[in-house]
Amino acid sequence: DAGVIQSPRHEVTEMGQEVTLRCKPISGHNSLFWYRQTMMRGLELLIYFNNNVPIDDSGMPEDRFSAKMPNASFSTLKIQPSEPRDSAVYFCASSPGRFAGINTGELFFGEGSRLTVL
Amino acid sequence: AQSVTQLDSQVPVFEEAPVELRCNYSSSVSVYLFWYVQYPNQGLQLLLKYLSGSTLVKSINGFEAEFNKSQTSFHLRKPSVHISDTAEYFCAVSDQMNYGGSQGNLIFGKGTKLSVKP
Repeated sequence: DAGVIQSPRHEVTEMGQEVTLRCKPISGHNSLFWYRQTMMRGLELLIYFNNNVPIDDSGMPEDRFSAKMPNASFSTLKIQPSEPRDSAVYFCASSPGRFAGINTGELFFGEGSRLTVL
Repeated sequence: AQSVTQLDSQVPVFEEAPVELRCNYSSSVSVYLFWYVQYPNQGLQLLLKYLSGSTLVKSINGFEAEFNKSQTSFHLRKPSVHISDTAEYFCAVSDQMNYGGSQGNLIFGKGTKLSVKP
């Protein structure tokens, strides 16, 4: 089975440009998470969705960041306009929800999208 | 609310030496516990997890962790490390009560970078 698929794997852009990161969760998973990882701040949860509905976006840094999940198999994280401080690795993860009656919270991560804003 | 503390940000060891990566958590309710591993330039992968039952859990590559409820710890150990174990290790906790619902997320520690030297 395919894992979580993220694109692009690497993105280099100039300050002020719009950046769109994409994620395809594992089929059948009903929760999707966007994380950001930097050397300084470590792993940060930005937003998560359950059944395509945003549940908690308190980790989104500011209005320049937006995330959507138009259907169960696709999500985007958009930064507009981008700034050098947005440079980081962005991870998407999905969770299967209930397993044998228990939702353990286990996450399955994609390979990440490394963003460099010049 | 839960929290996870990984006291050691970096652990250098020589090949074939034993290693322990420490993880302590705080929670007012019962928890599920996880260790994730992140190899260079990759996403996070589940290494092992404690859900219930035996407090000692093992991974396929020789790591083990023991859930100690009285000490609220879930330390990761390996009796003899290999160069290929060089990676960053994240401890994570989720709230069993919260997972009575269908959403939620893992709380991650800040990670411990294990560096195995020849």
